[in-house]
Amino acid sequence: EADIYQTPRYLVIGTGKKITLECSQTMGHDKMYWYQQDPGMELHLIHYSYGVNSTEKGDLSSESTVSRIRTEHFPLTLESARPSHTSQYLCASSDEGEVGPYGYTFGSGTRLTVV
Amino acid sequence: GEDVEQSLFLSVREGDSSVINCTYTDSSSTYLYWYKQEPGAGLQLLTYIFSNMDMKQDQRLTVLLNKKDKHLSLRIADTQTGDSAIYFCAQRNNYGQNFVFGPGTRLSVLP
Repeated sequence: EADIYQTPRYLVIGTGKKITLECSQTMGHDKMYWYQQDPGMELHLIHYSYGVNSTEKGDLSSESTVSRIRTEHFPLTLESARPSHTSQYLCASSDEGEVGPYGYTFGSGTRLTVV
Repeated sequence: GEDVEQSLFLSVREGDSSVINCTYTDSSSTYLYWYKQEPGAGLQLLTYIFSNMDMKQDQRLTVLLNKKDKHLSLRIADTQTGDSAIYFCAQRNNYGQNFVFGPGTRLSVLP
């Protein structure tokens, strides 16, 4: 079944650690996105990719980095986690190759807590 | 730039209708969407409407679009406790543009 997967679902980690949040999709979508969701619910776009070897920063500045070596995989890395990185991280993908009502498909999210 | 606004909270009694409102600024919006987020989960696409439509109905959900006022609403008939969630309005304009999401409306359904 075509879907988008995020791992881990929950992560508690100490300050200064390096972490990678995984996101994979099996739909062959070219476009993928990372959103940070604060406790007030609002979504902030932090990274996006329009295809392999393409990555762009989003509207909200983030200390994280991303890579897109394979179409299906879009991991997000924090080199040195800090308490201010505590948040919910949502990955999404879309197929907007043609004009049409193509919505975003979201993963279940990773809730990150940095202590 | 584009902006999407929503009221942040709505409380209704079980069995009543819920109406969640959204306003947007980009008049070139092509598609407008409603997403639902349940606690601890990602966003799930509920429905969408094309900008040349006024209304779309899907079972208990009715979407109304007033393009002149740039106003979108989602009506949930016979609201149930399982409808308690955060509802996001989103717009997309031209081909290839990223979505713009509203801040989300937290719907609480009281027994």
